[in-house]
Amino acid sequence: QIVLTQSPTASAPLGASVKLTCTLSSGHSRFAIAWHQQPPEKGPRYLMKLKSDGSHTKGDGIPDRFSGSSSGSERYLTISSLQSEDEAVYYCQTWGTDVEVFGGGTKLTVL
Amino acid sequence: QVQLVESGGGVVQPGTSLRLACAASGFTFSSKGMHWVRQAPGKGLEWVAAIWNDGNKKRYGESVKGRITISRDNSKNTVYVQMNSLTLEDTGVYYCARDGGLGVEDIDYWGQGTLVIVSS
Repeated sequence: QIVLTQSPTASAPLGASVKLTCTLSSGHSRFAIAWHQQPPEKGPRYLMKLKSDGSHTKGDGIPDRFSGSSSGSERYLTISSLQSEDEAVYYCQTWGTDVEVFGGGTKLTVL
Repeated sequence: QVQLVESGGGVVQPGTSLRLACAASGFTFSSKGMHWVRQAPGKGLEWVAAIWNDGNKKRYGESVKGRITISRDNSKNTVYVQMNSLTLEDTGVYYCARDGGLGVEDIDYWGQGTLVIVSS
């Protein structure tokens, strides 16, 4: 069973950088994931697909401020030059044999 | 550009049924898998169901198995979800989403969602 673990909250000042983490459960360290952003009271938006080697493909119109990286079973989303509109819940998502799995989400507060 | 537009949500009583639809445009619908994902009030995202591009393979989340059926009409560029025996726990926003591949891979586009409220 695939499980994705995310910290419930994170915060960083306006203009700073923040690195969010998504941890894959044991035995699934080679899995790719996707990152999604959900602003308050809005639907989710696809940010990128992130592979175990750290290579990533971003969705349409996603700014260069958003990047991904990987280390072992951890997948990261780094947001640089934080803006107020980056305040949102960030979900990681992966897929196995015939199943999709979401992490619990990290609520990012821009201070 | 890719657009996914859900419809069919509303207020329904427990034990009843509801069918949601999602009209897709801006891409070759028959070449992509499609999903339904839901979100209960104040909660995270929960995968509900997936259907492969040709409609021949379907998979469901554990919490809805046996009560939900996903289907698609590639001639109408539309995916559906039929929900039966609705309970209060089925309340939430239901999102249609596009798969990055033929069936179950990364979700790369989302609709705006349709709200389902199950209430007596």
